[in-house]
Amino acid sequence: EVQLLESGGGLVQPGGSLRLSCAASGLTLSNYAMSWVRQAPGKGLEWVSTVAFKTFYSDSVKGRFTISRDNSKNTLFLQMNSLRAEDTAVYYCAKYKGFCTSASCPHNAFDIWGQGTMVTVSS
Amino acid sequence: DIQMTQSPSTLSASVGDRVTIACRASQSISSWLAWYQQKPGKGPKLLIYKASSLESGVTSRFSGSGSGTEFTLTISSLQPDDFATYYCQHYNSYPYTFGQGTKLEIK
Repeated sequence: EVQLLESGGGLVQPGGSLRLSCAASGLTLSNYAMSWVRQAPGKGLEWVSTVAFKTFYSDSVKGRFTISRDNSKNTLFLQMNSLRAEDTAVYYCAKYKGFCTSASCPHNAFDIWGQGTMVTVSS
Repeated sequence: DIQMTQSPSTLSASVGDRVTIACRASQSISSWLAWYQQKPGKGPKLLIYKASSLESGVTSRFSGSGSGTEFTLTISSLQPDDFATYYCQHYNSYPYTFGQGTKLEIK
């Protein structure tokens, strides 16, 4: 069974850092583009970042968050620095539908999602 | 950035009803649109991709249509398991954006 399992969430003070992990099973992460999507309490979904052959970030996190992956561990990461109260959310990792080719990772929908990990930024 | 606007925000319906949710993009996104279902405490589930393609394993009671800037999700003959929140999302270019969501409630 294909599964994504996030971890690393918790309570952190404003200005602090946190690193989220997303462990994949039943698939090889390096074959796909992967994203982080977040959802503030009671709010809608917000795309945060994507790693394909390049990395992409929303303006709200650019310069503060870094997406990466360790292919040997089949795990996706999100390093979050300079955290703000407005970063409080459930963070989901999500897999792109469709493979990356040797040349590109086409834009695509997210066909597999994790269960999410909660990040709370508060003093 | 491309803005996605869903309507209505809340929809009350009964088991057996046919319902339609609309999604409008602020500029043309061709057919690069997905629909998701989300239940409380869970990650979203992909229902429709490329505007009208049914994701594998999803019941054919769900269908999508549209292109350019106007899209719809239709659920025929609502079942109790369908009461959830639905989101549209474009993947035409970065940044990907989602609609604000439509909460489908039992009347």
